[in-house]
Amino acid sequence: DAGVIQSPRHEVTEMGQEVTLRCKPISGHDYLFWYRQTMMRGLELLIYFNNNVPIDDSGMPEDRFSAKMPNASFSTLKIQPSEPRDSAVYFCASSLKGRLAGGLGKNIQYFGAGTRLSVL
Amino acid sequence: AQTVTQSQPEMSVQEAETVTLSCTYDTSESDYYLFWYKQPPSRQMILVIRQEAYKQQNATENRFSVNFQKAAKSFSLKISDSQLGDAAMYFCAYRSSEYQGAQKLVFGQGTRLTINP
Repeated sequence: DAGVIQSPRHEVTEMGQEVTLRCKPISGHDYLFWYRQTMMRGLELLIYFNNNVPIDDSGMPEDRFSAKMPNASFSTLKIQPSEPRDSAVYFCASSLKGRLAGGLGKNIQYFGAGTRLSVL
Repeated sequence: AQTVTQSQPEMSVQEAETVTLSCTYDTSESDYYLFWYKQPPSRQMILVIRQEAYKQQNATENRFSVNFQKAAKSFSLKISDSQLGDAAMYFCAYRSSEYQGAQKLVFGQGTRLTINP
């Protein structure tokens, strides 16, 4: 498997523009997570999905942020309008649910390479 | 809410020597998972090792091992025979067991590890 695939790798945009980040999880995984990494706040969860349904979006900073998962193989994180303080690295991760005594690879979140977003 | 603390912002070690990175966490749960992730300059988050809280035996993965002290809520990472490729940011992370709900990872602030040749 190719792993979690994120695009674009880098995004530079101007304040006020709409930004869309994309993620393709590992095939067969039923959880998808969006994290944001900044120097000030470290790594923090924005939202996660289970079987394409949003479960916890309490980390989404404000209404400018929205995330969708229209099917099991694709998710988007959209920022509209973008602001300079949104500049960060955004990671997508996916995992497969397993029992506590689960087998190899279960309950582990695999991360994509991240998207570095710069809002000027 | 759970918290994870890494008290060492930076560490350095001579190549081939052993280094230990510290991590403490706070939780009221009895079942959970702990992880160490490595983030090299490429910024890819790579899983190094994981520990299930119900297991008393410390996890090991080749040169990487942990010292899991459940009562003390401590989860340190030991890297033996350090190699130049081990240089990276290391993050300790906590996750509730699936039976206790939240699946998100809670990360520490990270420790930047430098390997001196």
